[in-house]
Amino acid sequence: DIVMTQTPLSSPVTLGQPASISCRSSQSLVHSDGNTYLSWLQQRPGQPPRLLIYKISNRFSGVPDRFSGSGAGTDFTLKISRVEAEDVGIYYCMQASQFPLTFGGGTKVEIK
Amino acid sequence: EVQLLESGGGLVQPGGSLRLSCAASGFTFSSYVMSWVRQAPGEGLEWVSSLGTSVGKTYYSDSVRGRFTISRDNSKNTLYLQMNSLRAEDTAVYYCANSVISWGQGTLVTVSS
Repeated sequence: DIVMTQTPLSSPVTLGQPASISCRSSQSLVHSDGNTYLSWLQQRPGQPPRLLIYKISNRFSGVPDRFSGSGAGTDFTLKISRVEAEDVGIYYCMQASQFPLTFGGGTKVEIK
Repeated sequence: EVQLLESGGGLVQPGGSLRLSCAASGFTFSSYVMSWVRQAPGEGLEWVSSLGTSVGKTYYSDSVRGRFTISRDNSKNTLYLQMNSLRAEDTAVYYCANSVISWGQGTLVTVSS
C-alpha cells in the first residue's frame, strides 16, 4: 500500500498570510497512463470533504485561485497564498493512482 | 448540480448487518467510478471500497474485504454498500463519492451493544 505522509500536523496562520502543506508518498504516484492522481481535499468543521485540487495542480470548479498545488513523483505541496477565515479546517492529500486509495493523516489549518 | 445522498446508517449490534445507499443525481452515474470512504469519530479519512464502470471491477480495503459488498444500480443511479459481520471498529460516518470529485453529506453507522 502507498503511505501518504503529511506535514505539518497543524498550521496556525495569521489571516492574510500564506500557508503551505507538504505531502510525501512512499512510492511514485505516476500511473501507467502517465497521469499522477494526487488530490487535495478540504474538510471544514462539521462538513464532508470537498475536492480542491486534482492531478497535482488542477483546481476544481469553484475553488478560489489562492489555492495551488505543485509537485511530482513522491513530493507534493498545497499552498494557500493568503489565508482567509473560511479556510479553517483539515486538509488531506489523497492518491488514486493505485488501489487501495490512501489518504494523508490530515493537516489542521487554524487562525492564530 | 451534482448531488449524492447517503442513507441507511444507524445503530447496529456487533455481528449485525446494514445496507447503505447513495442516490446520485446531476451527472452520468454509469460513467463514474464510485467509492465509499469512512471517517471514524475524530479520525481521518479511510477508503473502504470502489466500484468501476465495468462489471466485476470491485475493490476493497483489507479491513472490510469478505464482509462488505459494493454494488450499483445504474437504472436507479444508486450505489450500495452491504455491510455484514459488523464490528465496533466499523463505527464511522460513511461517505459516497464519485471518483472523489463530489461527496455526499455522509451517513453515521454505529456498531455497539
